[in-house]
Amino acid sequence: EAGVAQSPRYKIIEKRQSVAFWCNPISGHATLYWYQQILGQGPKLLIQFQNNGVVDDSQLPKDRFSAERLKGVDSTLKIQPAKLEDSAVYLCASSPSFAVGNTIYFGEGSWLTVV
Amino acid sequence: SQQGEEDPQALSIQEGENATMNCSYKTSINNLQWYRQNSGRGLVHLILIRSNEREKHSGRLRVTLDTSKKSSSLLITASRAADTASYFCATGSGNTPLVFGKGTRLSVIA
Repeated sequence: EAGVAQSPRYKIIEKRQSVAFWCNPISGHATLYWYQQILGQGPKLLIQFQNNGVVDDSQLPKDRFSAERLKGVDSTLKIQPAKLEDSAVYLCASSPSFAVGNTIYFGEGSWLTVV
Repeated sequence: SQQGEEDPQALSIQEGENATMNCSYKTSINNLQWYRQNSGRGLVHLILIRSNEREKHSGRLRVTLDTSKKSSSLLITASRAADTASYFCATGSGNTPLVFGKGTRLSVIA
């Protein structure tokens, strides 16, 4: 079974530029998550989708971050304009459904450096 | 905000020794999960313990949960160099998504 795929793996941009990350979840998984992990910290949830609807985006900085999940499969996370503090790993994850106790399966992450 | 808090922040042991990491949380939970993250990689699920369970085993892993103290521990027995990684606890409650702690960085020295 293929895992969660993310691209690009690494990206370096200047502040005020834009960047987009792509995620393809495990086939059949209805729930998709985007987490932000700053170096030395645990992952922080940015947004959660159930199929193509948003379940939780309370911690997404909506003035600069946006995410969509078209057709309930792939997802993109965009940052525009980027700030220095956005330097982090952006982890995409999926689970079969949003049920308490479901295991979350993570991708390898997209490493963003803003200079 | 992050609910789980792991302790210690970093741990260094010799190969063959046991490693114990602790997690404390603040509110009631339905389940608690432990994940491992190797350097530069994504997180991998290790084990889940439900709020009505007190202990769970998986291979060399042993997890305990004390809901009265709002704490959990992860024990890795007979550690190996390959166990070197960061370990995170994550709490689940109600319909809220998992909340991860800051992690414990484990170094196993061969």
